Amino acid sequence: GQNIDQPTEMTATEGAIVQINCTYQTSGFNGLFWYQQHAGEAPTFLSYNVLDGLEEKGRFSSFLSRSKGYSYLLLKELQMKDSASYLCAVRDRRQLTFGSGTQLTVLP
Amino acid sequence: GAVVSQHPSWVICKSGTSVKIECRSLDFQATTMFWYRQFPKQSLMLMATSNEGSKATYEQGVEKDKFLINHASLTLSTLTVTSAHPEDSSFYICSARGGRLAESSYEQYFGPGTRLTVT
Repeated sequence: GQNIDQPTEMTATEGAIVQINCTYQTSGFNGLFWYQQHAGEAPTFLSYNVLDGLEEKGRFSSFLSRSKGYSYLLLKELQMKDSASYLCAVRDRRQLTFGSGTQLTVLP
Repeated sequence: GAVVSQHPSWVICKSGTSVKIECRSLDFQATTMFWYRQFPKQSLMLMATSNEGSKATYEQGVEKDKFLINHASLTLSTLTVTSAHPEDSSFYICSARGGRLAESSYEQYFGPGTRLTVT
């Protein structure tokens, strides 16, 4: 099975930088994903890491350390529209398992 | 990017009736489709995985006779909630994987979800 842990809630200010951490335990690691989900909507893909290191995509970056079972999602230049739930998901050989999500609130 | 559609987007039904939800991959062939359920303020929980032309694999605790999944073609999967009860009220989301594009080989594309309310 898999165990994925991420903070329940975070608050940050518009224009700031926020880092959302995710730790996991799994057998047969086959990639880590970050998704954004607004209330009442389906998740949208943000990033994918399968090798150690940092992947940058515009204002969003994701980091992975497989030896530590650790990832983070970094959001820069926060905007109000970034207020959402951020889901860390780990894939093994069979399926994608989601963490409980981190609800990010961006304040003006 | 790849597009996955779901129909209906929301449905209200009476207790004891059955509801069918369709999931379609619009511009790629989905070799594998996943059905998730999400209760308010909780994360997505995988219900079942289906491959085209074969029986679905259900997660522990999910009743296969209650949640019927059919993956008849590479672009369509259906989830039927039989004899629905109020506790089945939830947000059901399908996801599809597969296709010709390299970037779609690992990524799952999610449908917009179906909000089911059983009264």
